[in-house]
Amino acid sequence: AQSVTQLGSHVSVSEGALVLLRCNYSSSVPPYLFWYVQYPNQGLQLLLKYTSAATLVKGINGFEAEFKKSETSFHLTKPSAHMSDAAEYFCAVSGFNAGNMLTFGGGTRLMVKP
Amino acid sequence: DAGVIQSPRHEVTEMGQEVTLRCKPISGHDYLFWYRQTMMRGLELLIYFNNNVPIDDSGMPEDRFSAKMPNASFSTLKIQPSEPRDSAVYFCATKESSNSPLHFGNGTRLTVT
Repeated sequence: AQSVTQLGSHVSVSEGALVLLRCNYSSSVPPYLFWYVQYPNQGLQLLLKYTSAATLVKGINGFEAEFKKSETSFHLTKPSAHMSDAAEYFCAVSGFNAGNMLTFGGGTRLMVKP
Repeated sequence: DAGVIQSPRHEVTEMGQEVTLRCKPISGHDYLFWYRQTMMRGLELLIYFNNNVPIDDSGMPEDRFSAKMPNASFSTLKIQPSEPRDSAVYFCATKESSNSPLHFGNGTRLTVT
């Protein structure tokens, strides 16, 4: 069984500030981990994924995430927030089940203040 | 690549009516998933298909919900009869293989009054 917990359903940062969105996972097998972003009235888009290669994963739009097995975490960061980063972000985990189904966290809404 | 195409984008119907949501997957994608998104429950997996065959429908909430994939280019999610608590955004998502990333459609916002 696998699960994902995203700490903080809402995060607010100022433009230019560091973005940190937290994700902790639980998995009985080595996981694949993903971050997706959802803009209003759209579907989810893949930001980045970890598949057991490098522990620091770089994604689109300047985002990156680091896999820390000891902490069972996969936090998403961006050094400098931009207004266009305002969206909802979902962490997801999949294991080696049939179809490698994703289990999503509850989402974190990022607000960027000017 | 047009992406995953869902129709309609919005659906408003009265309780008791039948609702059919449609999805056209990306060509060549062997897996198709139906998700439901609500504020209270977040993203829930309803059912998924592999090569047009339903593999896991354990997330389908009730017998009122049914999904079909008659061919590789088309899937439907049907609710009959619909109820107000079915109001949500329904997403179709597809992927090429089991290890590929998931591609989402823009969703169908269903409102049942």
